[in-house]
Amino acid sequence: SQTIHQWPATLVQPVGSPLSLECTVEGTSNPNLYWYRQAAGRGLQLLFYSIGIDQISSEVPQNLSASRPQDRQFILSSKKLLLSDSGFYLCAWSVTRSGGNTIYFGEGSWLTVV
Amino acid sequence: QKEVEQDPGPLSVPEGAIVSLNCTYSNSAFQYFMWYRQYSRKGPELLMYTYSSGNKEDGRFTAQVDKSSKYISLFIRDSQPSDSATYLCAMTPSGSARQLTFGSGTQLTVLP
Repeated sequence: SQTIHQWPATLVQPVGSPLSLECTVEGTSNPNLYWYRQAAGRGLQLLFYSIGIDQISSEVPQNLSASRPQDRQFILSSKKLLLSDSGFYLCAWSVTRSGGNTIYFGEGSWLTVV
Repeated sequence: QKEVEQDPGPLSVPEGAIVSLNCTYSNSAFQYFMWYRQYSRKGPELLMYTYSSGNKEDGRFTAQVDKSSKYISLFIRDSQPSDSATYLCAMTPSGSARQLTFGSGTQLTVLP
């Protein structure tokens, strides 16, 4: 069966510091991978989408970047964090099923920028 | 106006009650509909997946889609304290996960 791992689960970072969140998927090959952000009381916002190694689409302009160095590895980064980057970050993957795709989420990473 | 509207709650019900959670949407192109359950400080977990209009049942959960009214519902029968969570609806026009639009979630508490 497929599993998704995301880390770290929680981190507190000072403003201006770099960020690296990592996600790996097991049990499937060539998945579509996603990074979402979830702000309190708001829906999920798609940040990045990847269909393959080094193939990244940015959905919103921001202070973050994403990379996919391996088929099942997805990394969310920032060179200098802003206070507004605080939030709950979720990695996800999708599989094609008859009639459409379904998306599965990791456990998430809580980021507090101080 | 948001594409997907969901009452944020909070909603509190006694154990054993029937729970109705709802979303309305404005984009008539939406064809695929999902419900996710999210426990506090955890990632969302897929509960139900339906295509077009109609009902789908899975154990104590029933998903209902009314495309003519642009309205979807999730019913939970015999609710349990373990059902206490935030429930998110999500939908997409083409089946592409990239085009998923999420509601902001309804917080449910089932009281023992």
